[in-house]
Amino acid sequence: QVPLQESGPRLVEPSETLSLTCTVSGDSISTHSFNWIRQPAGKGLEWIGRMYLTVNINYNPSLKSRVTMSLDTSKNQFSLRLTSVTAADTALYFCASCRWGRCDYLDSWGQGTPVTVSS
Amino acid sequence: ELVLTQSPVTLSLSPGERATLSCRASQSITGYLAWYQQKTGQPPRLLIYGTSTRGSGIPDRFSGRGSGTEFTLTISRLEPEDFAVYYCQHYSNSPMYTFGQGTKLEIK
Repeated sequence: QVPLQESGPRLVEPSETLSLTCTVSGDSISTHSFNWIRQPAGKGLEWIGRMYLTVNINYNPSLKSRVTMSLDTSKNQFSLRLTSVTAADTALYFCASCRWGRCDYLDSWGQGTPVTVSS
Repeated sequence: ELVLTQSPVTLSLSPGERATLSCRASQSITGYLAWYQQKTGQPPRLLIYGTSTRGSGIPDRFSGRGSGTEFTLTISRLEPEDFAVYYCQHYSNSPMYTFGQGTKLEIK
């Protein structure tokens, strides 16, 4: 399994941009795909998108217009930007990974970081 | 758009009993079906992938099966630590990860 640690602001104002970072182990960057998944309190899981290096980036169609993911290999960090947030974006945000080539399941998860959208 | 419907929403059983959780797909899917366990305050934990293969370190009381649109997760004899929420998940080559809404397994 791959150690993953999410970080970022816990409070974001409506209409602003949510920015989160997932710190990953250096060894895994070239062998794993990294995903963002979110979970509103008391609700289910929603896949946001994934990256494999910088050559393979995919987003959930329902969020695609507002999502950008990036990878900083020098810092071993995988990032999420979600623009024009509303209260509906309030959730626990997880970083999760899978070994590239076998990404039908996610076998490593961070602990998650809570984000509240409120003024 | 694929929808995964899990049933029941809540399952009340006692330790030692057998649990059967269902995941129904809105259209026929391949074997890319996984199951996760989530306890309060924790991230999901992979239990089963490829419909029936147990993840690393998962006890053999957990088993998965199914095909087409009907999939099940069975816990043969419930242990106290098994009471949690369970999610099924499908991966498509779009790519897209779709999760079911979850089944809460609670102590009766």
